[in-house]
Amino acid sequence: SQKIEQNSEALNIQEGKTATLTCNYTNYSPAYLQWYRQDPGRGPVFLLLIRENEKEKRKERLKVTFDTTLKQSLFHITAAQPADSATYLCALVPLFSGGYNKLIFGAGTRLAVHP
Amino acid sequence: DAGITQSPRHKVTETGTPVTLRCHQTENHRYMYWYRQDPGHGLRLIHYSYGVKDTDKGEVSDGYSVSRSKTEDFLLTLESATSSQTSVYFCATNGGANTGELFFGEGSRLTVL
Repeated sequence: SQKIEQNSEALNIQEGKTATLTCNYTNYSPAYLQWYRQDPGRGPVFLLLIRENEKEKRKERLKVTFDTTLKQSLFHITAAQPADSATYLCALVPLFSGGYNKLIFGAGTRLAVHP
Repeated sequence: DAGITQSPRHKVTETGTPVTLRCHQTENHRYMYWYRQDPGHGLRLIHYSYGVKDTDKGEVSDGYSVSRSKTEDFLLTLESATSSQTSVYFCATNGGANTGELFFGEGSRLTVL
């Protein structure tokens, strides 16, 4: 079956450290993969996109990597701050899915950054 | 930020009653989506629209219908609500950009007793 897996356990780190979140997928060939941030009681907010022919993407303190051999994307937040505490969602659009940007989401990983 | 407004934001209803959730956007985005979010599950696509009067089913469409009579409005209807439809419902839009970035509303929390 087709699945997108993210760690269901919360990730707890100290302020100033690097947070690394994992997204694994099976039986998909993604055209591209996205990461979203979701705060409690709010809708998800887009952070970064990486295409299937790209290895790495950066935006300020955020970095995303994409390994189509391992079927895995890693999301890094460097110098994490308490304000980065949220749930982070991984999503992808499979190749040949008919267009219309129909994203398939993982369940998300909650990140808690402690002072 | 895309102006996406969902209403109602909270609703409690009884099994068997009809429910309509409304999504209104001010960005003139072509594509609109309804997702539901449940604990332990990712956001799951219910229905989507690729233009006025153009809609199609998503992954979990049973028990739901949609309508889009204007670019800015996308309605989700539960004809006869069931307890399994208790969830948080999110509307999202996409302007057709190559990035596929979705803009989400704040969500509508529905409880079916």
